[in-house]
Amino acid sequence: EAGVAQSPRYKIIEKRQSVAFWCNPISGHATLYWYQQILGQGPKLLIQFQNNGVVDDSQLPKDRFSAERLKGVDSTLKIQPAKLEDSAVYLCASSLGVSNEQFFGPGTRLTVL
Amino acid sequence: AQSVTQLDSQVPVFEEAPVELRCNYSSSVSVYLFWYVQYPNQGLQLLLKYLSGSTLVKGINGFEAEFNKSQTSFHLRKPSVHISDTAEYFCAVSTPLKDSSYKLIFGSGTRLLVRP
Repeated sequence: EAGVAQSPRYKIIEKRQSVAFWCNPISGHATLYWYQQILGQGPKLLIQFQNNGVVDDSQLPKDRFSAERLKGVDSTLKIQPAKLEDSAVYLCASSLGVSNEQFFGPGTRLTVL
Repeated sequence: AQSVTQLDSQVPVFEEAPVELRCNYSSSVSVYLFWYVQYPNQGLQLLLKYLSGSTLVKGINGFEAEFNKSQTSFHLRKPSVHISDTAEYFCAVSTPLKDSSYKLIFGSGTRLLVRP
């Protein structure tokens, strides 16, 4: 069974630029999560989707971050414009449903210069 | 509000020695507790979880953890570590929500460094 796929694995941009990350969850998983993991900290949930609807985006900085999950399968997370403090690893996870185990992708490491 | 404290940022240990990684949580209601492992350049993998029932939980790779409600702790243990156990370990807590879902709150992680 293929795991959660994410791309790109690494991205370096300058502040005020835009960036987008892509996530393809495990086939059949209805729930998709985006986490931000700053160096030295644990992951923090940014947004949770159930199919193509948003369940929780309370910690998503909506002035610069946006996410979508069209057709309820893969998802993109965008930052526009990026700030220095956005440097982090962005993890995508998926689960069969909201009460099932979350499976994590390898993450995208973003460096903002 | 829930929070998780992992007191040790790094734990060095020799191969085949026992290890304990400490985790304390704060919550005013019942909780679910989890331990995840993160190997270099990889995502997180679930080691074990406590939802209810027996307070001693066994996970993968020979790890186990004990839920102690009075001390609000969920320490992770392994009787004999291997070089391949070198990784970052995260404790997480969640309160079950109305729809049976849960939102994970992670600790800051403990780096386990196993030396030969």
